[in-house]
Amino acid sequence: DARVTQTPRHKVTEMGQEVTMRCQPILGHNTVFWYRQTMMQGLELLAYFRNRAPLDDSGMPKDRFSAEMPDATLATLKIQPSEPRDSAVYFCASGQLAGLSYNEQFFGPGTRLTVL
Amino acid sequence: AQTVTQSQPEMSVQEAETVTLSCTYDTSENNYYLFWYKQPPSRQMILVIRQEAYKQQNATENRFSVNFQKAAKSFSLKISDSQLGDTAMYFCAFTPNTNAGKSTFGDGTTLTVKP
Repeated sequence: DARVTQTPRHKVTEMGQEVTMRCQPILGHNTVFWYRQTMMQGLELLAYFRNRAPLDDSGMPKDRFSAEMPDATLATLKIQPSEPRDSAVYFCASGQLAGLSYNEQFFGPGTRLTVL
Repeated sequence: AQTVTQSQPEMSVQEAETVTLSCTYDTSENNYYLFWYKQPPSRQMILVIRQEAYKQQNATENRFSVNFQKAAKSFSLKISDSQLGDTAMYFCAFTPNTNAGKSTFGDGTTLTVKP
């Protein structure tokens, strides 16, 4: 049963600390998305990759957030330094875009981040 | 830029009854996909149903069906015979059929099914 996995599931940290969230997309999917969900802002797209190349990271605060795909089985989202306003649930999703047709996005279980 | 609007922040329905969640969108694209995702208290996002804009026939998945009105840019979700397990937040999403494939999500509707 193929699924997107995310680690850690929960993270509590203090302001100023570095946070790294990891995502393993479904094998064979060529697109990976990072979303942030908060009560106030809803579901926001932070960044996404196609064939490991970043396509759009305009939703991400550039000064403290960075997203990478070191290989096809791993995507990372890093926050340095973290701030209390970064507290949210961070979702990774993967999908397969082939030509012009597009399938659903498969979401991971999310990482609940709390920055004190 | 596309926008997706879900005008009902919260809804409730009695078990076994039918409920309709509304979604409207704005786009200049002609080819696109529309989705309804369900997010139960566990937070896991699950695809409920998908509609291709070029298809006139409304999609159906068991108790879930959509009313897709392309001209009106409306994409409502009907849940028949509501079950307690349907209690969740429901998100409408739009994805253009371009090489970008970037989705836009609505703000969600929280549905509570009452026994």
